[in-house]
Amino acid sequence: GIQVEQSPPDLILQEGANSTLRCNFSDSVNNLQWFHQNPWGQLINLFYIPSGTKQNGRLSATTVATERYSLLYISSSQTTDSGVYFCAVEPRYNAGNMLTFGGGTRLMVKP
Amino acid sequence: NAGVTQTPKFRILKIGQSMTLQCTQDMNHNYMYWYRQDPGMGLKLIYYSVGAGITDKGEVPNGYNVSRSTTEDFPLRLELAAPSQTSVYFCASRGGQRYEQYFGPGTRLTVT
Repeated sequence: GIQVEQSPPDLILQEGANSTLRCNFSDSVNNLQWFHQNPWGQLINLFYIPSGTKQNGRLSATTVATERYSLLYISSSQTTDSGVYFCAVEPRYNAGNMLTFGGGTRLMVKP
Repeated sequence: NAGVTQTPKFRILKIGQSMTLQCTQDMNHNYMYWYRQDPGMGLKLIYYSVGAGITDKGEVPNGYNVSRSTTEDFPLRLELAAPSQTSVYFCASRGGQRYEQYFGPGTRLTVT
């Protein structure tokens, strides 16, 4: 099946710093989503971005589908950005329509 | 819209007990999914459904059953709970022209 790798696995930032999270995937995709899992375990949709670039406040994401990677940018990080960031993809040739999740990037933002 | 709702939020089961995790969506989505998340890991698909009356296995279906009698509801059944089923369970749905999945708040299950 499709492989999804996220880097880095762990990241510690000082409040106000910027960061880039990366997601590599091994096959063509119909769907790519970025999620933030907060310390209470809730999964929050950040972006639906199978290709192109999107921005939402301090967060933005870019997916280069032809090169099979996606980047999540966090600018001016805040302590509330802490948690785990997951990339998940749905392969193009997949009758199951299921999302395959990467291992996540665990982010800690210190005040 | 309430989106995707799940009940209960927390549950503790003894080994061998049974229970049903409830999932409801009010977005008229055809596709619904059940995932589990073990500590420190990503999510893995248990079962999915492409419409009422149609279900299929995902990556980790053993020990679970599902049914889909209506578009709105997609319950997950554990028949003989085992410690290996201690996990957080997420329900999701998808519909329309987009592939985006929407997740419920999760059910934290402990089997002891």
